[in-house]
Amino acid sequence: GESVGLHLPTLSVQEGDNSIINCAYSNSASDYFIWYKQESGKGPQFIIDIRSNMDKRQGQRVTVLLNKTVKHLSLQIAATQPGDSAVYFCASFRGAGGTSYGKLTFGQGTILTVHP
Amino acid sequence: EAGVTQFPSHSVIEKGQTVTLRCDPISGHDNLYWYRRVMGKEIKFLLHFVKESKQDESGMPNNRFLAERTGGTYSTLKVQPAELEDSGVYFCASSQDRGRIYNEQFFGPGTRLTVL
Repeated sequence: GESVGLHLPTLSVQEGDNSIINCAYSNSASDYFIWYKQESGKGPQFIIDIRSNMDKRQGQRVTVLLNKTVKHLSLQIAATQPGDSAVYFCASFRGAGGTSYGKLTFGQGTILTVHP
Repeated sequence: EAGVTQFPSHSVIEKGQTVTLRCDPISGHDNLYWYRRVMGKEIKFLLHFVKESKQDESGMPNNRFLAERTGGTYSTLKVQPAELEDSGVYFCASSQDRGRIYNEQFFGPGTRLTVL
């Protein structure tokens, strides 16, 4: 079945370091891959997405890399700050029949802790 | 602009009771989704409304769950009768069709349901 999984459940880094969060997926037919950040007491918040025909996309302090050969997705956060501490979820989206009707399939989440 | 809101934020009920969760999507968003996260597991899709119609309800666990979106605005998710395994956090998300295959889904803060 379709699944999106994570390699590591927790990640601890020092403030200012770069963070890399990894994710493996199984459904090669996904149209988009998305990273979400969830802080305590809040719902998942969109960070960045990447279309399946791309291999890299950059945002503000974040970069998502997609390796379709090994079905691997990563989120890189530059100069990690204490405010980046949260649970990070990767998700995949597949539109039904090329439409926008589809659902997100989430991974379990990685807890990122940034130490001052 | 107000985000997605959910009510209540927490609900504690006994097994066999009924609970109704409410979601108010972002104004103008035709797409409304329900997801849930059971303790320690990934966020899983429950169903998708387009306006008042159920587009996809493949994730609904069983017939104890009933979702409605009368008038195509807010939605309710009723669990009757509740079982212990229904405990978890229920998220609602909404999106606006912008002509892309994937349109960003905005999540609410979730309702934490505890069934004793």
